[in-house]
Amino acid sequence: AQSVTQLDSHVSVSEGTPVLLRCNYSSSYSPSLFWYVQHPNKGLQLLLKYTSAATLVKGINGFEAEFKKSETSFHLTKPSAHMSDAAEYFCVVSDRGGNKLVFGAGTILRVKS
Amino acid sequence: DGGITQSPKYLFRKEGQNVTLSCEQNLNHDAMYWYRQDPGQGLRLIYYSQIVNDFQKGDIAEGYSVSREKKESFPLTVTSAQKNPTAFYLCASSSTGGPDTGELFFGEGSRLTVL
Repeated sequence: AQSVTQLDSHVSVSEGTPVLLRCNYSSSYSPSLFWYVQHPNKGLQLLLKYTSAATLVKGINGFEAEFKKSETSFHLTKPSAHMSDAAEYFCVVSDRGGNKLVFGAGTILRVKS
Repeated sequence: DGGITQSPKYLFRKEGQNVTLSCEQNLNHDAMYWYRQDPGQGLRLIYYSQIVNDFQKGDIAEGYSVSREKKESFPLTVTSAQKNPTAFYLCASSSTGGPDTGELFFGEGSRLTVL
């Protein structure tokens, strides 16, 4: 069975400083991994995805994530936070068929001015 | 513009009433999904459908029902059997197969409150 653990329920950073949102996964086979972002009372939007190509994945809005199989991690980073990055972020794992996605509990990112 | 439309955005229901949430997509996607979101719990899958006239239960299907009579539409009914229906409901769709498998496109959600 697949599972995903987001290690922090809340992260607070100052504008202009780096962002790190941590995600560990468990999967019995090679997974696909995703990060989604949700702004308040909105649907989710895909930030980036890993599907067994390059281990460093670049996404929208300056975000990137690195797949580390040895650590079973897929942490999300951004060099410099912007106020508009304040939102909830979800790490997601799926099987190769993509029919069954498992969502992490979410990390709320707060950006201070 | 292509996308997913959910309605209503906000809905209030009295205990014992059934309510139906609408989800329409014009992305020509085969697969559609309903998720329930509660604070601190991520998203949990209620039902999904990979093709017209076929659907499967997700992890928390009890108290819910769906239909898939058209490719574009996947309505969700929250029945009176659902013990705790107050939540944010999200509809999503995806293409099946190919490199985009697993990438979901979401609507803006429907917030149901039981009075």
